[in-house]
Amino acid sequence: QQQVKQSPQSLIVQKGGISIINCAYENTAFDYFPWYQQFPGKGPALLIAIRPDVSEKKEGRFTISFNKSAKQFSLHIMDSQPGDSATYFCAARGAGNMLTFGGGTRLMVKP
Amino acid sequence: ETGVTQSPTHLIKTRGQQVTLRCSSQSGHNTVSWYQQALGQGPQFIFQYYREEENGRGNFPPRFSGLQFPNYSSELNVNALELDDSALYLCASSLAGTSSTDTQYFGPGTRLTVL
Repeated sequence: QQQVKQSPQSLIVQKGGISIINCAYENTAFDYFPWYQQFPGKGPALLIAIRPDVSEKKEGRFTISFNKSAKQFSLHIMDSQPGDSATYFCAARGAGNMLTFGGGTRLMVKP
Repeated sequence: ETGVTQSPTHLIKTRGQQVTLRCSSQSGHNTVSWYQQALGQGPQFIFQYYREEENGRGNFPPRFSGLQFPNYSSELNVNALELDDSALYLCASSLAGTSSTDTQYFGPGTRLTVL
């Protein structure tokens, strides 16, 4: 059972544009929601994370918006750059510090 | 600060064989989690080790087993390899017992191909 659904699967954005990736979860016991960035041949790298008692968190060009009642959260990348081209994964932490990942979004930022 | 390292980088095995993958956790971290990432998919949690004991397990059969050593490094062992075991195996370390427990830092992974 996929407990974290991520969309879109792929995204093409022009340089300087806003990239938006959405995730929805089912398990209300999840208590921590990180986003990871993964380049080909590399392991996932933590970008930004949020707890469910906060509705928004911003770090530089990256913002997480969190809607607890809707069980949805999203990543916004402002002023997207070609170097942001990568696969992005949302995740949710459950019991035992286990992360459940979404299926990933392949982002391409065109120069 | 030393990051998470994994070995080997790549590995090719045949069906039925056994494989051992290794992970050194980030300096100061005491918890190691293992994930399987099939091509084009998100990582799937295999299990976690804390204080040399398995501390949580995902939906993987018993032929996936692990160890954690006193220096917090870890091994993932897979017996009776199947073609579907072909994937990138990721190790992540974290520090249990503090608010930093939230953050799992991933290594570069080991690419396993089963023929």
